[in-house]
Amino acid sequence: AQSVAQPEDQVNVAEGNPLTVKCTYSVSGNPYLFWYVQYPNRGLQFLLKYITGDNLVKGSYGFEAEFNKSQTSFHLKKPSALVSDSALYFCAVRDLGGNSSASKIIFGSGTRLSIRP
Amino acid sequence: NAGVTQTPKFRILKIGQSMTLQCTQDMNHNYMYWYRQDPGMGLKLIYYSVGAGITDKGEVPNGYNVSRSTTEDFPLRLELAAPSQTSVYFCASSYSGGLGAQYFGPGTRLLVL
Repeated sequence: AQSVAQPEDQVNVAEGNPLTVKCTYSVSGNPYLFWYVQYPNRGLQFLLKYITGDNLVKGSYGFEAEFNKSQTSFHLKKPSALVSDSALYFCAVRDLGGNSSASKIIFGSGTRLSIRP
Repeated sequence: NAGVTQTPKFRILKIGQSMTLQCTQDMNHNYMYWYRQDPGMGLKLIYYSVGAGITDKGEVPNGYNVSRSTTEDFPLRLELAAPSQTSVYFCASSYSGGLGAQYFGPGTRLLVL
């Protein structure tokens, strides 16, 4: 079965420093991976996805993610954090089980990112 | 383009009452989803639909029902509300299912007392 794991419940970073939010995956076949962000009292917003191609994927708000097949990881990164980046971040993977399961994605448990001024 | 809209924003139900959470999207997406998010937790899939007239159960379907009579609308019905259904409910839609982005509504906060 497909799954993603976010090993850190919370990540704290000083403004201006680089940030990394970790995600590892377990899939049978080629992975389709996503990152979403959730600001307080809002729905999730899509940041970026990896389907195939370049291992470094660029997304919204200056975020990027690095796909690493040998480490089965898809970490979210940003070179210089902003206070406004403080939010809940979810990694997700396409579900490949069952007939119509390919229409679904499975979300990780989320990582709360806190950027201090 | 309103995207995905959900009503109501907030509702208090008594145990045993029923209600329908409304979800509408104006992007002509075939794929639609209902999730619940409990405090401090991730999202759990309740039901999803790959097109009008087609629905399927997700991870936590018990106590809920859905219908999809049109491409735009995907209402979620709660029968006999229980305290365990206290949660925030998100509707989402997607053009390409598991291949692309899902677009989320603002959520409905439900409290069952």
